[in-house]
Amino acid sequence: DVVMTQSPLSLPVTLGQPASISCRSSQSLVSSDGNSYLNWFHQRPGQSPRRLIYKASIRDSGVPDRFSGSGSGTDFTLRISRVEAEDAGVYYCMQVSHPWTFGQGTKVEIK
Amino acid sequence: QVQLVQSEAEVKKPGASVKVSCKASGYSFTDYYIHWVRQAPGRGLEWMGWINADNGATKSAERFHGWVTMTRDTATRTAYMELRSLTSDDTAVYFCTRSGGGPTDFDHWGQGTLVTVSS
Repeated sequence: DVVMTQSPLSLPVTLGQPASISCRSSQSLVSSDGNSYLNWFHQRPGQSPRRLIYKASIRDSGVPDRFSGSGSGTDFTLRISRVEAEDAGVYYCMQVSHPWTFGQGTKVEIK
Repeated sequence: QVQLVQSEAEVKKPGASVKVSCKASGYSFTDYYIHWVRQAPGRGLEWMGWINADNGATKSAERFHGWVTMTRDTATRTAYMELRSLTSDDTAVYFCTRSGGGPTDFDHWGQGTLVTVSS
């Protein structure tokens, strides 16, 4: 199985400052079509996960442009250019091949 | 709009079974897979398996082999996940989500169903 490793696991951030989360996979996520099938999700307490990014760098409709995804192969990053209060919660990366696997989650807290 | 609406919370005794439903609307049900993901209290997300809503084929994570059954009813556009021989370790919120390739992979999720296993 592909193991997804996120860092850090806890990320205290100041409002208006940037934040960055790393996700590494134990195997390359590059598919035969050249795309890396890596999703990013945000989950607030008591809510379902919400997808932010798919194919490593494509932002979902309605997701603020302060969120960006990058990377390919085994190394991926989610960046928030200027953190807002609503960005608090847990962020997960997930690789899209059998068996689907998630990272452990990164808890973003507003200082 | 796309919606996945799950059944209500359940309380079960150890050794029992639970069946969670996920009713889809707003898209062509049989063009997608339904996945099941669970989250134990205070823990991360764990993928359990999928069902092809068109032909009913299923695939589960190895640890759930022989223990989880996924089915669907195309007439009611509903997917089901049944978990048997429950233990306290199965106490979790169970989510359904859909995939159809690329842009639609895990783009919409159900609200979650809390299953509590307690004697």
